[in-house]
Amino acid sequence: GAGVSQSPSNKVTEKGKDVELRCDPISGHTALYWYRQSLGQGLEFLIYFQGNSAPDKSGLPSDRFSAERTGGSVSTLTIQRTQQEDSAVYLCASSPIAGGNTGELFFGEGSRLTVL
Amino acid sequence: ELKVEQNPLFLSMQEGKNYTIYCNYSTTSDRLYWYRQDPGKSLESLFVLLSNGAVKQEGRLMASLDTKARLSTLHITAAVHDLSATYFCAVGTAPYSGGGADGLTFGKGTHLIIQP
Repeated sequence: GAGVSQSPSNKVTEKGKDVELRCDPISGHTALYWYRQSLGQGLEFLIYFQGNSAPDKSGLPSDRFSAERTGGSVSTLTIQRTQQEDSAVYLCASSPIAGGNTGELFFGEGSRLTVL
Repeated sequence: ELKVEQNPLFLSMQEGKNYTIYCNYSTTSDRLYWYRQDPGKSLESLFVLLSNGAVKQEGRLMASLDTKARLSTLHITAAVHDLSATYFCAVGTAPYSGGGADGLTFGKGTHLIIQP
């Protein structure tokens, strides 16, 4: 079956522009996560969606960052007025929520954002 | 706040040698995950450890979990060049119940280079 799909794979933008990054999780996975990976760093949690519940936005670094998930499937991460420090790889992951699930996350290939 | 520390962060070793990567974490958890990341690629799940004393092996890699010591190890036996990658450990912040915001906290990763 298809894995987690992210687009675009690469995005170069100018400082101050808005960007949208898209994530299509594995079919049937109800949990969706966004992480950010800066060069040479680990993964920084951004936001979590679970079904129709209110998302956990506790990891979003500023109010320029927002995310939505439509129909419990595809998610869009939006960064407004991008800054150079936003340059990173944005990784999306999904996980099934069901009895016996291990909590393992399945990651997409990521969207590499470069802000000039 | 949960902290996850990996040691070492960088390791260069020769083929045929054995070595261990350590993952320490700061709060109680019984869920520990190991991921592999190749350059420019996403994270691939290697091991899921869900109880104290859990040990899992796949090929030349073996992972273990000691929840009392808050320590997991990833042991490499008779290393081969194909194992060169960055290895991340990640810790679940609560007993997994199949619901609620339950993202993983990642270490910074161990960049492993295996010289032929």
